Amino acid sequence: GENVEQHPSTLSVQEGDSAVIKCTYSDSASNYFPWYKQELGKRPQLIIDIRSNVGEKKDQRIAVTLNKTAKHFSLHITETQPEDSAVYFCAASIPDLLYSGGGADGLTFGKGTHLIIQP
Amino acid sequence: NAGVMQNPRHLVRRRGQEARLRCSPMKGHSHVYWYRQLPEEGLKFMVYLQKENIIDESGMPKERFSAEFPKEGPSILRIQQVVRGDSAAYFCASSPLDRGKNTGELFFGEGSRLTVL
Repeated sequence: GENVEQHPSTLSVQEGDSAVIKCTYSDSASNYFPWYKQELGKRPQLIIDIRSNVGEKKDQRIAVTLNKTAKHFSLHITETQPEDSAVYFCAASIPDLLYSGGGADGLTFGKGTHLIIQP
Repeated sequence: NAGVMQNPRHLVRRRGQEARLRCSPMKGHSHVYWYRQLPEEGLKFMVYLQKENIIDESGMPKERFSAEFPKEGPSILRIQQVVRGDSAAYFCASSPLDRGKNTGELFFGEGSRLTVL
């Protein structure tokens, strides 16, 4: 099955600086890579995702890059703000497996990165 | 359109008791997933269900844990004879059945936090 590694486990940055979180995956068939943000005591929520047919995607201060050859993808947050403090999870999956009869384990998540924005 | 609803939000059980966690997926969603989150850890897949069907339970412990998603009513994750190691947050997520509407995103509930004394 898929295995997703995420680094670092904790990241502390000064407000206004950039933060980068990196993930690697093992299954070259994975083609969907979302990032979820989980605030303390809350549900994980999707903040951005990327599919294997693109190398980069940006949404305001958040961007994700994907290197299929190296099987790694990264989350970039620029101009960090206090409300960015949370745990961020990367994940990988093959959504089409849901419909091909091949079974599915949904998303395979990394262990998370606790991002701390220092004022 | 209500989101994924889970209850109870918090559950306390003594060792040996049973825990039942319920999940109602978003309207229009027929795929349900259960994940377990231990403190300081990520989300571990447990089981994937459709109505009246367990599709993939490869992440579920072989003993004491079971899940169902009946034709009517919510999906239920059942833990029998709970032990302290079962203390965790259990998240349910759903996604649409319609392939054309399924972007791959999972929509999570707020979770059920189980504490075993």
